Amino acid sequence: EPEVTQTPSHQVTQMGQEVILRCVPISNHLYFYWYRQILGQKVEFLVSFYNNEISEKSEIFDDQFSVERPDGSNFTLKIRSTKLEDSAMYFCASSEEAGGWGFSYEQYFGPGTRLTVT
Amino acid sequence: AQKVTQAQTEISVVEKEDVTLDCVYETRDTTYYLFWYKQPPSGELVFLIRRNSFDEQNEISGRYSWNFQKSTSSFNFTITASQVVDSAVYFCALNVDQKLVFGQGTRLTINP
Repeated sequence: EPEVTQTPSHQVTQMGQEVILRCVPISNHLYFYWYRQILGQKVEFLVSFYNNEISEKSEIFDDQFSVERPDGSNFTLKIRSTKLEDSAMYFCASSEEAGGWGFSYEQYFGPGTRLTVT
Repeated sequence: AQKVTQAQTEISVVEKEDVTLDCVYETRDTTYYLFWYKQPPSGELVFLIRRNSFDEQNEISGRYSWNFQKSTSSFNFTITASQVVDSAVYFCALNVDQKLVFGQGTRLTINP
């Protein structure tokens, strides 16, 4: 069964450093997402991406964050200058379509990357 | 506001007991989808069910069942004859445009 993969599973970085989290969505999916889960808290939407551009982003997704689809398979989340509060589990997800207009496609989640900022 | 509330932060039961996890949502949309995800200790998010607002029939999948009540804006999840492997955090979620809005989650512990 196709699945979303994420690398690395755990990333430790120092405050102020740049990190890139990588995801390989399911191959025929067109929409990609990043979510964040601070330890012990709920999962929060960061950004959605379609056709090589951001479809929607949350208030959390400020100028420190960027996303890219550098090739036909990878989808990346870059944090330019990490802060302590960026420590969280980051989940990538993909779906066949975006939904909207009252319809929703299932979003398949990857296993997550645990980011620890020291 | 579009939000999901899971009022039960933690539930602990003994194996083989039935347990119900509550989910209440708010949405301005007339058509919407609700989801349940399981997050085991390993951390991944496992999709359990998607239900659209037009379909109020209860759904059963093995030991799992879901009760969708549009009148009370609730989408509750029941595990029958719980097992230790059911121990996890369970999240209810609502689709809002292109994203999922999650509840705070309920940590379920099944004790042997």
